[in-house]
Amino acid sequence: DAKTTQPTSMDCAEGRAANLPCNHSTISGNEYVYWYRQIHSQGPQYIIHGLKNNETNEMASLIITEDRKSSTLILPHATLRDTAVYYCIVIVYGGSQGNLIFGKGTKLSVKP
Amino acid sequence: ETGVTQTPRHLVMGMTNKKSLKCEQHLGHNAMYWYKQSAKKPLELMFVYNFKEQTENNSVPSRFSPECPNSSHLFLHLHTLQPEDSALYLCASCQGTSGYNEQFFGPGTRLTVL
Repeated sequence: DAKTTQPTSMDCAEGRAANLPCNHSTISGNEYVYWYRQIHSQGPQYIIHGLKNNETNEMASLIITEDRKSSTLILPHATLRDTAVYYCIVIVYGGSQGNLIFGKGTKLSVKP
Repeated sequence: ETGVTQTPRHLVMGMTNKKSLKCEQHLGHNAMYWYKQSAKKPLELMFVYNFKEQTENNSVPSRFSPECPNSSHLFLHLHTLQPEDSALYLCASCQGTSGYNEQFFGPGTRLTVL
């Protein structure tokens, strides 16, 4: 079973920031938080990952709480092309060969 | 484009047919994966290959038979499938022999079993 809890769906206005929450209250000290997204009928796409520090790349920012029990993915200026299912996954870095366990994710709908 | 290609993109087959799905990665990765995504269900890991050796079989029925002739190619041979096997089959690859690295996914093959 997935070790994360995400809202089933969210809406966001185009051009506004999309903030997608994820709870991972049982996360272990050696587990990273990874985010992927899946646009309809395509393969999942890696977005960002982090351990305990906030991270930013060209796609998004990841904010992890100090106790690491939750995190938020931020898309700073959402576009219609960001409409997708977003998956938050915790996984051991340095453990067995990358076995991603996908939950149901959050379906983000970006509206004009 | 992710550097992972899958063919065919769509496949319709009868329960008595034998068909194969192909995946090719152009990223120089050494690990490859097969996932299954049924309607309204999360992605499920099926098989993992690392340097052509199968390292994981997630209790997949024997009517699904994977083959990895080299680190760049992965096949999924299908025979006597059931209608409930209809799904999106996704291939992925990543670099690294230990530890987790970002997986790059192909576009998937949409399989329909009649």
